Amino acid sequence: QKEVEQDPGPLSVPEGAIVSLNCTYSNSAFQYFMWYRQYSRKGPELLMYTYSSGNKEDGRFTAQVDKSSKYISLFIRDSQPSDSATYLCAALAGAGSYQLTFGKGTKLSVIP
Amino acid sequence: DAGVTQSPTHLIKTRGQHVTLRCSPISGHKSVSWYQQVLGQGPQFIFQYYEKEERGRGNFPDRFSARQFPNYSSELNVNALLLGDSALYLCASSLGDRDNSPLHFGNGTRLTVT
Repeated sequence: QKEVEQDPGPLSVPEGAIVSLNCTYSNSAFQYFMWYRQYSRKGPELLMYTYSSGNKEDGRFTAQVDKSSKYISLFIRDSQPSDSATYLCAALAGAGSYQLTFGKGTKLSVIP
Repeated sequence: DAGVTQSPTHLIKTRGQHVTLRCSPISGHKSVSWYQQVLGQGPQFIFQYYEKEERGRGNFPDRFSARQFPNYSSELNVNALLLGDSALYLCASSLGDRDNSPLHFGNGTRLTVT
C-alpha cells in the first residue's frame, strides 16, 4: 500500500463547476499537507499548504484535512479552463523528516 | 524574482553512460531537494541538502549521488544509466531552516535513456 493514495482520474468537468479532488494517506506521522498543480511539461507549483486538521481557503481554492480519517481534499470553485492540469497531493511528517510523499496526481480537464 | 532554474531542460543518453543535472535555487533558499517523476506517477524523493550537507536520502541506488555548493546550487549525478532512469528530474528549493519549509520546484530536466 502506498503511503499516499490518489485517484489518477482523468476528471472532466464543465467550466464553472465545483471540483473536488481527494487523497487518503496511511502514515499517522504526517502533519503537513500540500496541494501542487502541474501543467504539462512544467514542474509542480505549490497551491495550498496546511498543518494538521482543518480548512484553509485561498481565493477559489479550499484545502481540507481530516486527520481522524486520514483524508485530504482540495475544492476548486468556479472552475476555469486554465485550471486544467494535474493536481498532486503531498504529505510531510516533519520532526526531522524532510521527505515529501506524493500521490500519483489527478488529471483535471475543465471544458469551456 | 527568478524561480528554481534547472539545466539542461532535455537530455538523451545511452545505457551505461553518466549524467550530471544542475539546479540553482531561489535566492535566499539554502536547501535543495531532488525528486524523480516517472510518467504518470508522483515525484519520488531522492535527496535533500542543506548548507552543503546531505539531510535525507530516498530509496535510490548508490548510482545516484548529489552535492551542494557554497552558493547553494546543486548537482545530481547518475552513473551507469539504465533504461528505467528515464524520467523528469525535479529540483526544489526551500529556506530549509525548518523541516516543514515549503518546497518550490523548477521545471525539471527530462532525461531519456536509450
